[in-house]
Amino acid sequence: GEDVEQSLFLSVREGDSSVINCTYTDSSSTYLYWYKQEPGAGLQLLTYIFSNMDMKQDQRLTVLLNKKDKHLSLRIADTQTGDSAIYFCAESMAGKLIFGQGTTLQVKP
Amino acid sequence: EAGVTQFPSHSVIEKGQTVTLRCDPISGHDNLYWYRRVMGKEIKFLLHFVKESKQDESGMPNNRFLAERTGGTYSTLKVQPAELEDSGVYFCASSHEGQGYYGYTFGSGTRLTVV
Repeated sequence: GEDVEQSLFLSVREGDSSVINCTYTDSSSTYLYWYKQEPGAGLQLLTYIFSNMDMKQDQRLTVLLNKKDKHLSLRIADTQTGDSAIYFCAESMAGKLIFGQGTTLQVKP
Repeated sequence: EAGVTQFPSHSVIEKGQTVTLRCDPISGHDNLYWYRRVMGKEIKFLLHFVKESKQDESGMPNNRFLAERTGGTYSTLKVQPAELEDSGVYFCASSHEGQGYYGYTFGSGTRLTVV
């Protein structure tokens, strides 16, 4: 079945690292994505990882992929108040995206 | 380059009324998608256009929803008659042909409230 699961809420202090976790079901997904939605804004593609990679780093963002366990994580180093948003994990399946419920990240000053 | 534009940004209608949402994709993007997020749940796929043709409409919830993309440019999504459970945020996205795997460009969404 199509199921992407994420924890719903994460609270961290400014300057700490944030780790948002996601599990997915389709082992044939070629790409996995992280999207960010700030209040009142659309979905912004943060990063994506190809399924034959274990890790991808882009400035403060690190994506880890454990294909065996179908587990994807997004680490944000030195989390800032501007990182407060909803983060969605998504997998590609037959040309469409299957999203999780989104993790609300709250960053406390 | 202008992004994906959706309007209205918000719409509040009464149950039984009709609402039409519009999406203007990025110019030249053949692929256009509709998604929606209901009541803080996951974002779900509704349908996919390639130019003016419906490539996949497997996510359309029922026949109260009608999507069109005349001329392969902008798209409309009509809900008639609207029900309470249709409330949510409707997102549109577009991509170049063959570049969907790199992630689409999403619009800001239309927040629909049915009362």
